[in-house]
Amino acid sequence: DAKTTQPNSMESNEEEPVHLPCNHSTISGTDYIHWYRQLPSQGPEYVIHGLTSNVNNRMASLAIAEDRKSSTLILHRATLRDAAVYYCILRRSAGGTSYGKLTFGQGTILTVHP
Amino acid sequence: GAGVSQSPRYKVAKRGQDVALRCDPISGHVSLFWYQQALGQGPEFLTYFQNEAQLDKSGLPSDRFFAERPEGSVSTLKIQRTQQEDSAVYLCASSLDYQLREQFFGPGTRLTVL
Repeated sequence: DAKTTQPNSMESNEEEPVHLPCNHSTISGTDYIHWYRQLPSQGPEYVIHGLTSNVNNRMASLAIAEDRKSSTLILHRATLRDAAVYYCILRRSAGGTSYGKLTFGQGTILTVHP
Repeated sequence: GAGVSQSPRYKVAKRGQDVALRCDPISGHVSLFWYQQALGQGPEFLTYFQNEAQLDKSGLPSDRFFAERPEGSVSTLKIQRTQQEDSAVYLCASSLDYQLREQFFGPGTRLTVL
């Protein structure tokens, strides 16, 4: 599976935007970019995913570089509830034997200051 | 609405004991995954079910680990002769089907082996 690289930690102030980067230089054409986050003492939760175009949903935006070798998760206004570990994950599209399992890395620990 | 539930939430076992961890996925979800999360690490894939069929068990660390989903709904992860290195949070996730749908995670079972 292609690997992702994320900073170990980032900090933000409440109400400010946060840009969480992810490098995936070995991404293949069939890999989707997924983001999950894990709040303390909880299971991971889905945030957003995309293939080539930028994506927006109620939680966040995903900006994907034109060469797809990097992406950025954008939280437009961080709140204290956004403090979590954020995982950038590549998922192979349907087919083969991956069955969509998630391969988590270390993730980025986001701290939000009041 | 009901999400993925897991029981027990916490389990303490003496080394050598057998344990059984239960997962109740979201009703109607075809795909079910088990992950293991060691302290300070990202979750790691253990095994995957599509309905009652176990299609991938490549992540199970040893033959002491066994998972089943006999009626395609509830799943049980069993660990025989527990060892200290089995101490971790065991996460269950379900997904509507085998396509690239988001996975919904339960809160996990924290297993401590003394």
